[in-house]
Amino acid sequence: RKEVEQDPGPFNVPEGATVAFNCTYSNSASQSFFWYRQDCRKEPKLLMSVYSSGNEDGRFTAQLNRASQYISLLIRDSKLSDSATYLCVVNMPQAGGYNKLIFGAGTRLAVHP
Amino acid sequence: GAGVSQSPSNKVTEKGKDVELRCDPISGHTALYWYRQSLGQGLEFLIYFQGNSAPDKSGLPSDRFSAERTGGSVSTLTIQRTQQEDSAVYLCASSSSLRGVGLANYGYTFGSGTRLTVV
Repeated sequence: RKEVEQDPGPFNVPEGATVAFNCTYSNSASQSFFWYRQDCRKEPKLLMSVYSSGNEDGRFTAQLNRASQYISLLIRDSKLSDSATYLCVVNMPQAGGYNKLIFGAGTRLAVHP
Repeated sequence: GAGVSQSPSNKVTEKGKDVELRCDPISGHTALYWYRQSLGQGLEFLIYFQGNSAPDKSGLPSDRFSAERTGGSVSTLTIQRTQQEDSAVYLCASSSSLRGVGLANYGYTFGSGTRLTVV
């Protein structure tokens, strides 16, 4: 089983739509969680951290369910500029006392006019 | 510097040649990571540095791959006797975390990568 699993998509949605991405992770000891965005042929960039209480940043809402080991990202009122690949990222504790980010393979979003 | 800088941005090399990829992290970032991303694939962890030491080299795919970091700053990833399957984008990231603490809030900042093509 992969450490971080995402639906690869693609999700094709019209402008203005609401779209949700899901992610599951395998290690219950994981300590922190992120969503990254990666545009075509560009490096990944941090979109937002994910907190247990849920957090919102404008049109983006992230949720974490530790019991189910499940993370979600909701995008409201989709814009053309939201078209990208969204990476679910989990911070996994490692032997030796350090942490490492493990990336999901990404979910591709295409927003059309 | 203001961001993570990688060079070269593109590298085309012949099969069997050695290549060196350079990463200059954000000033003051103690943690440095190398990942690679093949076309259409996710990010594959290669190696992690904390300061100049590499506590996790588990992702290096073969003994043709090595990396070092000097002065707690610049890192070099070396691939010897390159093969066509080494073609990928090699991404470097740094973090302000110390021993992973702080990573919880900050995540990583990535460089723009080196696109390696082995012909």
